[in-house]
Amino acid sequence: AQKVTQAQTEISVVEKEDVTLDCVYETRDTTYYLFWYKQPPSGELVFLIRRNSFDEQNEISGRYSWNFQKSTSSFNFTITASQVVDSAVYFCALSEGPGAGSYQLTFGKGTKLSVIP
Amino acid sequence: GAGVSQSPSNKVTEKGKDVELRCDPISGHTALYWYRQRLGQGLEFLIYFQGNSAPDKSGLPSDRFSAERTGESVSTLTIQRTQQEDSAVYLCASSHGRDLLFYEQYFGPGTRLTVT
Repeated sequence: AQKVTQAQTEISVVEKEDVTLDCVYETRDTTYYLFWYKQPPSGELVFLIRRNSFDEQNEISGRYSWNFQKSTSSFNFTITASQVVDSAVYFCALSEGPGAGSYQLTFGKGTKLSVIP
Repeated sequence: GAGVSQSPSNKVTEKGKDVELRCDPISGHTALYWYRQRLGQGLEFLIYFQGNSAPDKSGLPSDRFSAERTGESVSTLTIQRTQQEDSAVYLCASSHGRDLLFYEQYFGPGTRLTVT
């Protein structure tokens, strides 16, 4: 069975601080995909990143960066120089690799980030 | 272009009544998904449609829940004899294809269901 744990329920930071959101996953699959989604107050989930389990390269996109470590089953998300617009609930998710279950996302419970001006 | 839309945005119903929640996916998306998000929880998968058929209904929590899709477009999630534990946000998503390596799921804004 797959499981995603986001231990941080809520985080508050002051604008311009860096913040890291933790994500730990469990899966028996050798091939799997990891995701981060942002859910602003409007409610629609916004896709941020997808990572294939074979690709452990870290990724940077503007102020966002992701650290994927298979050895610790973690896929952490860092926002540099946070802004008020970053305030949202962030979800980490996992799906099986190619095949029957590759469409089904298993989500963590989310981390609510509040960026204080 | 238009994204995934859902209606109503909010629904308050009395315990025991039936409700229907509607999802309009992005045009041309063959795959459609329903999720449930309880307060303070992550999203739970309910059902997946490929075209008009539902090869995976494994997430439906009880036989009071059903869903259908017509014309490879609109989908309706029906909850019969609603219970208070059904209170949640119900999210719909659609994608061009099934494999998440290649196809992103686009989410709608959700329907907030409150059962009193």
